Amino acid sequence: AQSVTQPDIHITVSEGASLELRCNYSYGATPYLFWYVQSPGQGLQLLLKYFSGDTLVQGIKGFEAEFKRSQSSFNLRKPSVHWSDAAEYFCAVGGTGGFKTIFGAGTRLFVKA
Amino acid sequence: EAEVAQSPRYKITEKSQAVAFWCDPISGHATLYWYRQILGQGPELLVQFQDESVVDDSQLPKDRFSAERLKGVDSTLKIQPAELGDSAMYLCASSEGGLNYGYTFGSGTRLTVV
Repeated sequence: AQSVTQPDIHITVSEGASLELRCNYSYGATPYLFWYVQSPGQGLQLLLKYFSGDTLVQGIKGFEAEFKRSQSSFNLRKPSVHWSDAAEYFCAVGGTGGFKTIFGAGTRLFVKA
Repeated sequence: EAEVAQSPRYKITEKSQAVAFWCDPISGHATLYWYRQILGQGPELLVQFQDESVVDDSQLPKDRFSAERLKGVDSTLKIQPAELGDSAMYLCASSEGGLNYGYTFGSGTRLTVV
């Protein structure tokens, strides 16, 4: 069955430090993978997506993610975090053949000065 | 930049009352989704439309929830009667079609049932 796991409920990083948010998925074929960001009380904004090609994908706001098929992972990274990056981040997986896109439970990012 | 419009932003209703949410997707987006997001969790799909047709409503509690997209443009999600457990954020999203596009989400409607 299709599933998404975000192992970290929350993460705290210092401003200027690097960030990596983990995402593991379960899907029988090549997945469509997404990262979204949600500020408090707002909808979700698409950061980046992967469905084929280069396994390192670049997104908006300086984020990137790497697809590793052998590890069933799609971790989100940013080299230097800004205070405005504090938000909740959701990994999502979708597929063809009628599989709906499902979301992980999210990772809340706190940024300390 | 084009946006998905949702209204109202906030709604407080008493249990057993009816409540409705409205969504206007990005112009030209054929696919429309309603998601429910309980506090502290990820969004869960309630219903998916392709134009005016329902593609997936397997997770929609049909005894109390209904959704329509009569002309294949804007959509309404209704709950009748509302229950305390329905308190959540209701998100609408639209897509050009095809998973490779990702979704554009609206700002959501925060429902509180008292």
